[in-house]
Amino acid sequence: QKEVEQDPGPLSVPEGAIVSLNCTYSNSAFQYFMWYRQYSRKGPELLMYTYSSGNKEDGRFTAQVDKSSKYISLFIRDSQPSDSATYLCAMSRAGGYQKVTFGIGTKLQVIP
Amino acid sequence: SAVISQKPSRDICQRGTSLTIQCQVDSQVTMMFWYRQQPGQSLTLIATANQGSEATYESGFVIDKFPISRPNLTFSTLTVSNMSPEDSSIYLCSVEGTSDNEQFFGPGTRLTVL
Repeated sequence: QKEVEQDPGPLSVPEGAIVSLNCTYSNSAFQYFMWYRQYSRKGPELLMYTYSSGNKEDGRFTAQVDKSSKYISLFIRDSQPSDSATYLCAMSRAGGYQKVTFGIGTKLQVIP
Repeated sequence: SAVISQKPSRDICQRGTSLTIQCQVDSQVTMMFWYRQQPGQSLTLIATANQGSEATYESGFVIDKFPISRPNLTFSTLTVSNMSPEDSSIYLCSVEGTSDNEQFFGPGTRLTVL
């Protein structure tokens, strides 16, 4: 079993839809949770960064962490064609620098 | 966030040759990382490169195949040695951010080995 599971998609939604992207993980020691956005032929770009459980909102993006279920989500409201990209979840343990483990990424296409 | 550049952006190489990828950062950073991103697979850490010390390699990656240099706080190179088609991948460098385990990535080098 992989430490981090993420559905690779692709996921196609109409413009304006609410998008839900999810990851599950098996390592209960993970404390930092991140979402990266990667456009085609570009490097990953950090979108959201959260510590431990709870929600974090940044504009149209909301990250949720449920440590009891080992489940994290990224919601995108009012999705735009410019949101079309691959979204990677990532997580790590706490305590100084720790190796970051990435999900495989979910490819999202927002159709105008 | 740091601005990171990589050279070359892409290359096509012959089996058995070596390629050196450069990573340049616009600010001084202690930790730099090299990743491989293969189709259908998650980002995989190859090694961590700290200035002034030997790179630390992850399981499955060895220095003879992926030698790394880190001559100063803004620059690093990764060499892919004695290449085979299985080395065809995107290679990414990243640097530490200001928060724990936060990382910022370069644009990547797309390598194809024939």
